[in-house]
Amino acid sequence: ILNVEQSPQSLHVQEGDSTNFTCSFPSSNFYALHWYRWETAKSPEALFVMTLNGDEKKKGRISATLNTKEGYSYLYIKGSQPEDSATYLCAFTGGGADGLTFGKGTHLIIQP
Amino acid sequence: DAGVTQSPTHLIKTRGQQVTLRCSPISGHKSVSWYQQVLGQGPQFIFQYYEKEERGRGNFPDRFSARQFPNYSSELNVNALLLGDSALYLCASTDSTGEGQPQHFGDGTRLSIL
Repeated sequence: ILNVEQSPQSLHVQEGDSTNFTCSFPSSNFYALHWYRWETAKSPEALFVMTLNGDEKKKGRISATLNTKEGYSYLYIKGSQPEDSATYLCAFTGGGADGLTFGKGTHLIIQP
Repeated sequence: DAGVTQSPTHLIKTRGQQVTLRCSPISGHKSVSWYQQVLGQGPQFIFQYYEKEERGRGNFPDRFSARQFPNYSSELNVNALLLGDSALYLCASTDSTGEGQPQHFGDGTRLSIL
């Protein structure tokens, strides 16, 4: 059974502050690590798919890093805005036919 | 272009009944995956279909089955419903089988079992 852990479980951040959270995953049989943003009453939205060790991706104020050797990824949000409030999910895949294995998510609340 | 669409949005059933959930992928996408999300947990993989063939199956009992049609839409069937089947069921599509591709999710079907 694959174990994908996300921390913290929830996070309250003041508007304008920067924040980051962690996803840890198995370091063996790695194929890709996905990040999704899931706003209430909407569908999960893909942020990044990362495959290479040391990879760093950026989308506006959001960026992510990947360390496949030690099995972790960080998601960073710079200058948090109220619209960043959402649950952020990471998901691991070994590339087989087992689909994505998701963590429980980090619930981010941006306080004005 | 329309995104992934799922129907119905909400559904209430009683224990022992059967249910069918439907999903239409993004136009041109040939792969459909189904996930179950219970409160407080991340989505859990149920099935993946590609070109009308089952490509992968998660750790779910045989009460769960699915199929994909020639137009790449998909149905998820659950028989002999249990209280524990109450969950949000998400459908996701991609244009290939590669897990290196981002999944495009629908809004889900909220299933409640009484």
